[in-house]
Amino acid sequence: ETGVTQTPRHLVMGMTNKKSLKCEQHLGHNAMYWYKQSAKKPLELMFVYNFKEQTENNSVPSRFSPECPNSSHLFLHLHTLQPEDSALYLCASSHFLGDEPYEQYFGPGTRLTVT
Amino acid sequence: RKEVEQDPGPFNVPEGATVAFNCTYSNSASQSFFWYRQDCRKEPKLLMSVYSSGNEDGRFTAQLNRASQYISLLIRDSKLSDSATYLCVVNNGLTGGGNKLTFGTGTQLKVEL
Repeated sequence: ETGVTQTPRHLVMGMTNKKSLKCEQHLGHNAMYWYKQSAKKPLELMFVYNFKEQTENNSVPSRFSPECPNSSHLFLHLHTLQPEDSALYLCASSHFLGDEPYEQYFGPGTRLTVT
Repeated sequence: RKEVEQDPGPFNVPEGATVAFNCTYSNSASQSFFWYRQDCRKEPKLLMSVYSSGNEDGRFTAQLNRASQYISLLIRDSKLSDSATYLCVVNNGLTGGGNKLTFGTGTQLKVEL
């Protein structure tokens, strides 16, 4: 596989369920990101991991819990979500070295519906 | 003021037309800039980086004006396949590492026969 992959592609869950989203990057990058994209809104950065360490939590509610076991894998654990959490969840990865900015490459996303 | 501001459009143009999009950003310390393209119900894909001196990639030309804090994208000889939403993206960096990209809401382009 190449690029950034995400599973599942679609997920429907009830408000009391617990589920996890998975992201894997095959690009040799060392930074990984979770974004949320709701209808008619810009992409919102949720979490950033650099070399497996979380470097940004953009005021995300605790019902979203990220996990980064290594620089190729990223998870987003979900529990007791609300209907307004329904959105497209996108994972991205990039190089990061010192102060140099690099382009981010996105996975296809998981379309989440909370019922 | 929004961090990144774009005209949402839609811009409806005939095939072969030249179309330009502008974007403004609020953080004068922003480090780097990109244009991404997003097709309906798909993930964003990098179209091109934007350099201070301006850069061109085939039919696409990007310009950056740091003094006025705006970025532009020019598309020449529009194709039907150019129909998409074009996202203006600004990188503000993170002290702990990683890139903090801030996305505009996007400008929708529809190229018609």
